[in-house]
Amino acid sequence: GAGVSQTPSNKVTEKGKYVELRCDPISGHTALYWYRQSLGQGPEFLIYFQGTGAADDSGLPNDRFFAVRPEGSVSTLKIQRTERGDSAVYLCASSLRGSGDMETQYFGPGTRLLVL
Amino acid sequence: AQSVTQPDIHITVSEGASLELRCNYSYGATPYLFWYVQSPGQGLQLLLKYFSGDTLVQGIKGFEAEFKRSQSSFNLRKPSVHWSDAAEYFCAVGARNTGRRALTFGSGTRLQVQP
Repeated sequence: GAGVSQTPSNKVTEKGKYVELRCDPISGHTALYWYRQSLGQGPEFLIYFQGTGAADDSGLPNDRFFAVRPEGSVSTLKIQRTERGDSAVYLCASSLRGSGDMETQYFGPGTRLLVL
Repeated sequence: AQSVTQPDIHITVSEGASLELRCNYSYGATPYLFWYVQSPGQGLQLLLKYFSGDTLVQGIKGFEAEFKRSQSSFNLRKPSVHWSDAAEYFCAVGARNTGRRALTFGSGTRLQVQP
């Protein structure tokens, strides 16, 4: 079956602009996660959705970052007033259940964001 | 808070040689443990995971890892490396019995395979 998909695969924007990154999870997966991977680093957790609600947004770096999942499937990560330091690969993952303890997270290919 | 250390930034091995990638973690209890592989331009693919039970875990592509509680380690091994194994490898941990789903990743080890 289809895996996690993310669009666009690459995004170039100018400092100060607004961007939206989209994630389509694996069909039937209840939980969805966003991570950010800076060059030469491992992924860093941003936010986790259980259904439509954000169950843990402790990794969002500041209030310029916001994510939604209005129907419990597709999610959009929104970045306002982008800064050059926001340049990174943004990874989305999904897992089957939205409750209980840890599960395996399945990752998408990522969106590479470059802020000029 | 948990942390993960992958001491080797870059490793080069010859095709057919054995491989061991090191991973050490800091956590107050036994965490959930994962190894992922990332090829250029690709997402992270799960190689194997440790949740409980046998401390020697078998994964895909001939990889295995051993959880050693006394050493807070979860090293990844492969007896004979193939050229297609060249990629970046990430160790990750998750907190147990907290309801938190966030994974903490190490900074990765880049594997180069020589012919």
